[in-house]
Amino acid sequence: DVKVTQSSRYLVKRTGEKVFLECVQDMDHENMFWYRQDPGLGLRLIYFSYDVKMKEKGDIPEGYSVSREKKERFSLILESASTNQTSMYLCASSLSQGAYGYTFGSGTRLTVV
Amino acid sequence: QKEVEQNSGPLSVPEGAIASLNCTYSDRVSQSFFWYRQYSGKSPELIMSIYSNGDKEDGRFTAQLNKASQYVSLLIRDSQPSDSATYLCAVNTGTASKLTFGTGTRLQVTL
Repeated sequence: DVKVTQSSRYLVKRTGEKVFLECVQDMDHENMFWYRQDPGLGLRLIYFSYDVKMKEKGDIPEGYSVSREKKERFSLILESASTNQTSMYLCASSLSQGAYGYTFGSGTRLTVV
Repeated sequence: QKEVEQNSGPLSVPEGAIASLNCTYSDRVSQSFFWYRQYSGKSPELIMSIYSNGDKEDGRFTAQLNKASQYVSLLIRDSQPSDSATYLCAVNTGTASKLTFGTGTRLQVTL
């Protein structure tokens, strides 16, 4: 089975800090995604990547950046954390074709105080 | 207009009954359709995928797709308390492999 590992299950950060969320997948998937999930708003796409060093903005990229230096690793960066970035962050990966769906990591619940 | 719509619920069904979860989508070029189950505090887990019109069965789960009506559903037979979760509908519109998710339907299976 594909495994998608997110480095932290829970994080508490202070306003203004730079925050790094790490995601690693072990099945050679081309595509990787970062979502945030909030009650009533569902899953919202922040950024995605189809290949190493490639990235594309999703629906809500403001305040975030990403890095994909290696195929298996996709990092989400909160440049200056704010309280409205308190959320559940989910990483996912998939094969290049669209027919196979995503495999999600276990999620990181980030609280910004 | 939301691209993928689901009734948020909660949908309450007694144990042993059939649960029917519905999803509509707006983009006619959508090609692949998925159902994910998400337990409270956990990440989504893929349970069904469907690509062509008709029914697809896997154990107690049946996915149904009607592209003309832009409608996809999930039936859960012999519902169990362990089926209590939020069910997310996801649609691939053909733009590479990017999925668009509905906000989910919360299912409660009562004893």
